[in-house]
Amino acid sequence: EPEVTQTPSHQVTQMGQEVILRCVPISNHLYFYWYRQILGQKVEFLVSFYNNEISEKSEIFDDQFSVERPDGSNFTLKIRSTKLEDSAMYFCASRGLGSYNEQFFGPGTRLTVL
Amino acid sequence: DAKTTQPPSMDCAEGRAANLPCNHSTISGNEYVYWYRQIHSQGPQYIIHGLKNNETNEMASLIITEDRKSSTLILPHATLRDTAVYYCIVRVGSGGGADGLTFGKGTHLIIQP
Repeated sequence: EPEVTQTPSHQVTQMGQEVILRCVPISNHLYFYWYRQILGQKVEFLVSFYNNEISEKSEIFDDQFSVERPDGSNFTLKIRSTKLEDSAMYFCASRGLGSYNEQFFGPGTRLTVL
Repeated sequence: DAKTTQPPSMDCAEGRAANLPCNHSTISGNEYVYWYRQIHSQGPQYIIHGLKNNETNEMASLIITEDRKSSTLILPHATLRDTAVYYCIVRVGSGGGADGLTFGKGTHLIIQP
């Protein structure tokens, strides 16, 4: 069964450093998403991406964040200058064509900012 | 998207049906009800969705009241692996992809052996 994959599974970085989290969505999906979950808290939507541009973003997704689909398979989330409060699990998701189709989530990348 | 209300936790005996309620009294006519679950910090997993008719798939059944103000997710024969946080989410479909999911706190379902 096709699945969303994410790398790395765990990333440790120093405050102020740039990180790139990588995702490979399901191959025929057209809609891509990033969510995050701070330990013990709710899953929070960050951004959705379709047709090579951002469709929607939350208040969390400020200028420190960017997304890119650099090729036909990868979808990345970049955090330009990490802060301690960026420590969280980051989930990528993708969805196929059709307005009401479900989103498929990856296993997540745990980001620890020291 | 409409707000949902779920009990914070529920217990169910293994092998019995687990019935998880969700209140969405402000749902509008073009909003669907989705259920996802999250097993111990894994990525959320889609379970089922519906508009107004009852729906069933290999994982669960979804019962939506006639006025659409509430719904119940039914896991017919719960196993220990069904222990998870279950999220009821109401949203409008969007052809342009502006459909980020809003997760609440969900219901922590604990299946007891």
